Amino acid sequence: DQQVKQNSPSLSVQEGRISILNCDYTNSMFDYFLWYKKYPAEGPTFLISISSIKDKNEDGRFTVFLNKSAKHLSLHIVPSQPGDSAVYFCAASRDINKFYFGSGTKLNVKP
Amino acid sequence: DAGVIQSPRHEVTEMGQEVTLRCKLISGHNSLFWYRQTMMRGLELLIYFNNNVPIDDSGMPEDRFSAKMPNASFSTLKIQPSEPRDSAVYFCASSFPAEGVYEQYFGPGTRLTVT
Repeated sequence: DQQVKQNSPSLSVQEGRISILNCDYTNSMFDYFLWYKKYPAEGPTFLISISSIKDKNEDGRFTVFLNKSAKHLSLHIVPSQPGDSAVYFCAASRDINKFYFGSGTKLNVKP
Repeated sequence: DAGVIQSPRHEVTEMGQEVTLRCKLISGHNSLFWYRQTMMRGLELLIYFNNNVPIDDSGMPEDRFSAKMPNASFSTLKIQPSEPRDSAVYFCASSFPAEGVYEQYFGPGTRLTVT
């Protein structure tokens, strides 16, 4: 049973607009969350993180929001760029080693 | 630093053959993770080591899979005998977990095809 779910396998957005990627989790013990970006034929690369003591973390064009009561997090990319086209994975953990990953959302940013 | 290095990048083998995947950690990292990515299950953790010691192997599918870390910088994942359902992309990742630092650094992956 997957503890981290990304229910949208794909998302298409126009360049310059906002991309919103969503992630839900089932384990209320999770206290640290990460987003990874993956290009074809490459390994995932770390993008941004948030701990459960916060509800928002921002890094440039990327912002992660955490709603603990809903067990939901989202990644906002503003403005979206064609180079952002990739597969995005969210991951959650209750210790610093064992992360549970979602199945990924493929983002396509159209020029 | 060259990052996490995996070899081979692609492996095609016949059912029943032994497959060995290799991983070199980033210098200074002390945790090593093996993941498998499939269309059906996404990215799943197979096993992880901390300071060369296997900590959690609950994700290893079955006894045909084994992983070792003979030294602080190198690990192998072995499948013997291989089966077509083992076809997937296998990633290793390394980290130096500390308070507030949890990121794992992934290698480029090994695409395994078992025919």
